[in-house]
Amino acid sequence: DADVTQTPRNRITKTGKRIMLECSQTKGHDRMYWYRQDPGLGLRLIYYSFDVKDINKGEISDGYSVSRQAQAKFSLSLESAIPNQTALYFCATSDLGGQDTQYFGPGTRLTVL
Amino acid sequence: DAKTTQPPSMDCAEGRAANLPCNHSTISGNEYVYWYRQIHSQGPQYIIHGLKNNETNEMASLIITEDRKSSTLILPHATLRDTAVYYCIVRVRSSNTGKLIFGQGTTLQVKP
Repeated sequence: DADVTQTPRNRITKTGKRIMLECSQTKGHDRMYWYRQDPGLGLRLIYYSFDVKDINKGEISDGYSVSRQAQAKFSLSLESAIPNQTALYFCATSDLGGQDTQYFGPGTRLTVL
Repeated sequence: DAKTTQPPSMDCAEGRAANLPCNHSTISGNEYVYWYRQIHSQGPQYIIHGLKNNETNEMASLIITEDRKSSTLILPHATLRDTAVYYCIVRVRSSNTGKLIFGQGTTLQVKP
């Protein structure tokens, strides 16, 4: 969905490096989410935010941090990347006032060597 | 959130209707049935959702049984671009976490 963008789309980095993945949305939604996808494991929730001042851990938050800079922006950081963080990362948004349907970005493929 | 069961794979001829089943026998009264799909490594795409009544939109139809223990997603005229993994998800709308639990889904292969 072009209303949710993620940068970069692909990134290769080395163990120990700090990485930031960015997500922006033009849908005007309050809620934003970060998921990761590993082969055979489906999507797992890392962090979520229901508004600018609200940050919550998901099921696999260890090794990650987030920042909700504005309603439209939600960044995911890996402070010291490790190889098992190699995955496909998706950002999503939803509108509490609407149907709470989640709309996903195109994903970031991250490889940690 | 209730657990769902879907067949791992299905084939469908191009131009025919694709009927994707989902069992959710432990669904609660306030849980909705959502369908998403993921086309190879792209972001999941919302298709449709419903509570107890059948629903239709420009993409698909959702048929929910009267006891709500199962549902069927119908793509009326499948095209090659509908080849994807389809996920049936049961959850409370506007839940405390908003988390979507993606199971293994059904891989739909649309063939010419």
